[in-house]
Amino acid sequence: AQKITQTQPGMFVQEKEAVTLDCTYDTSDPSYGLFWYKQPSSGEMIFLIYQGSYDQQNATEGRYSLNFQKARKSANLVISASQLGDSAMYFCAMRAGYSSASKIIFGSGTRLSIRP
Amino acid sequence: DGGITQSPKYLFRKEGQNVTLSCEQNLNHDAMYWYRQDPGQGLRLIYYSQIVNDFQKGDIAEGYSVSREKKESFPLTVTSAQKNPTAFYLCASSIFVLDSSNNEKLFFGSGTQLSVL
Repeated sequence: AQKITQTQPGMFVQEKEAVTLDCTYDTSDPSYGLFWYKQPSSGEMIFLIYQGSYDQQNATEGRYSLNFQKARKSANLVISASQLGDSAMYFCAMRAGYSSASKIIFGSGTRLSIRP
Repeated sequence: DGGITQSPKYLFRKEGQNVTLSCEQNLNHDAMYWYRQDPGQGLRLIYYSQIVNDFQKGDIAEGYSVSREKKESFPLTVTSAQKNPTAFYLCASSIFVLDSSNNEKLFFGSGTQLSVL
C-alpha cells in the first residue's frame, strides 16, 4: 500500500529565511512521482514542483527545490528566501505505479506561517 | 482558456437528499479525480477515472457515486448514505502518463463547499 506522511502540522518562519517542509513516502513500486502543492486560504491548489523516481537530479522551480533522498524515502520541499505570500498549507502527494488503476494520494499537510 | 470548472461554488444538502457536484475540463485530459477536504486536513481520494466509461474507488468512496460518460465530465453524487457530507470537494485532472519520467501535473478546479442544512 502507498502512503504519504507529513509530520509537521504547523511551522513559523521569519521572512527571508529558508524553510524545509518534510515529506516521507512509502511504496513498493519502483516507478513513482512526487508532487508538492500550495493551498492559500482561498482554497485553490497551486502546483509547485514534481520529482520522478528515476530522476537523477533534484527538481527545482524558482525558489522551490525538492530534496529527494530515495534511500530514506523522503521528498522534502525547500523554500529559499521565504516571503509573506508563502504563508499557506503545503501538501506532498505521490502517484505510485502507472496503470489504469494508479492513483494520486496526498499527505495531511503543513501549515506554514511567515513572520514579518 | 483551458481549465477545470467546478459548480456550484456552494451547495446545501437537506437530510436524505442526493446532490450532484459538477466537474468539467477542456484540457483534453484522460484522468480525473475527486477529493474531499475537511477543515485543516489533507485531501482524501473519493473516486478517480483514467479513461471514459471506467472509474475506480478511492480511499473513501462509501456514500458517493460517479460517472464518466464523456472525457470532459466527471460528476460526483453525494448520496443520502453519506452521513457526514459537509466538506470542501476538489476535482482534478491530469494527462495519463505511462511512467514517472513524464513531468506530470495535477490541475485542480476551484472547489465546491458542501454543507448540510
